[in-house]
Amino acid sequence: SSDLTQDPAVSVALGQTVRITCQGDSLRSYYASWFQQKPGQAPLLVIYGKNARPSGIPDRFSGSTSGNTASLTITGVQAEDEAAYLCNSRDSSGNLVVFGGGTKLTVL
Amino acid sequence: QVQLVESGGGLVKPGGSLRLSCAASGFNFGDFYVSWVRQAPGKGLEWLAYISGGGTTIYYADSAKGRFTISRDNAQMSLYLEMNFLRADDSAIYYCARSTTSYYYYAMDVWGQGTTVTVSS
Repeated sequence: SSDLTQDPAVSVALGQTVRITCQGDSLRSYYASWFQQKPGQAPLLVIYGKNARPSGIPDRFSGSTSGNTASLTITGVQAEDEAAYLCNSRDSSGNLVVFGGGTKLTVL
Repeated sequence: QVQLVESGGGLVKPGGSLRLSCAASGFNFGDFYVSWVRQAPGKGLEWLAYISGGGTTIYYADSAKGRFTISRDNAQMSLYLEMNFLRADDSAIYYCARSTTSYYYYAMDVWGQGTTVTVSS
């Protein structure tokens, strides 16, 4: 079981906006990071910290946190955004790392 | 370019051992925390362990504690994972990942392509 909870699947129409959430007690103290993973590929960091994007990640990806819930928002979803999205954070002790179970995003 | 390349995976019998390696290039390896993360077939990511740049800080997930040992050789720009008493549920793709970290977050910004471990008789 994960200390971070994600919805297993979400779908969105092409060009629309989607929010993917990640819940957990540790998110009251620590920021989530978000990873995109396509089949057969290694994960790719898309958001970390308060709302930072690594170089090369489009600005349609953004992150936010409220209480125990972190959100990844994709504004103007593209077909290539279809993937699994996983969150992680430090655990409540701050020393360990936990991942959410992942959300499979389908672009309609 | 910045790269991590894992090796050492393969087929091993239950109860056996395996040593994974991760070769880094393109960045100052000793400046970064690095982690091992695995992914069982069809499942999500599971963090196993991380080690600080100087090797003085190490933490393990409960699933790895006591059976797995993370280590690094900065001169060789390499990360290792020694795995003992392997079980069928250790079968997974094992990734090494460079970490960008602060008090408030632990993110992995560079990932290897993974190496596959299969535990089966």
